[in-house]
Amino acid sequence: KNEVEQSPQNLTAQEGEFITINCSYSVGISALHWLQQHPGGGIVSLFMLSSGKKKHGRLIATINIQEKHSSLHITASHPRDSAVYICAVRGGSEKLVFGKGTKLTVNP
Amino acid sequence: ETGVTQTPRHLVMGMTNKKSLKCEQHLGHNAMYWYKQSAKKPLELMFVYSLEERVENNSVPSRFSPECPNSSHLFLHLHTLQPEDSALYLCASSQAPNRGRNTEAFFGQGTRLTVV
Repeated sequence: KNEVEQSPQNLTAQEGEFITINCSYSVGISALHWLQQHPGGGIVSLFMLSSGKKKHGRLIATINIQEKHSSLHITASHPRDSAVYICAVRGGSEKLVFGKGTKLTVNP
Repeated sequence: ETGVTQTPRHLVMGMTNKKSLKCEQHLGHNAMYWYKQSAKKPLELMFVYSLEERVENNSVPSRFSPECPNSSHLFLHLHTLQPEDSALYLCASSQAPNRGRNTEAFFGQGTRLTVV
């Protein structure tokens, strides 16, 4: 069992829909990252969280340390949001452990 | 543009070839990483260089050989690879993780490697 589990694995939405991607982890962490991987392979860091909630434009990330759970929300989704969203946690060893990713497709 | 540049973007090589992947960062970071991303699998950490010293080698086969000549440059030398080594190889950099200090990793665009 992977230390970081994401759900759903695949998600298809219509433009404008509110989207939620979930991440659960089983180890104690010092930080959690949400990453966006574009179809060509390049990865962009969206958020780094250790508690609470962060917001950048239409993206919102929350984390509940007690429940070992984080969510990434996208409001008013757009086709350009189509990508793979990856959750990664930095645990006690200071290594990043990655989830398998959630492939999001937003249709116009 | 993340500040981390990888070359080449695509590479096709035979099993008897020797090639190298290059990564360069202009962010002033002091830790650099090689990751392998195979289809439908999580990113796998291959090597970590922190303060120009290799600190982790997660039992990667010896046909992969990293080199970090300075804090801005990282290479992955490839020799007698197998078809199952075909994958996306990603470089990342960050400040060296220290307990209590959160760091953010910045990734390159990756090199799509195909071994034939």
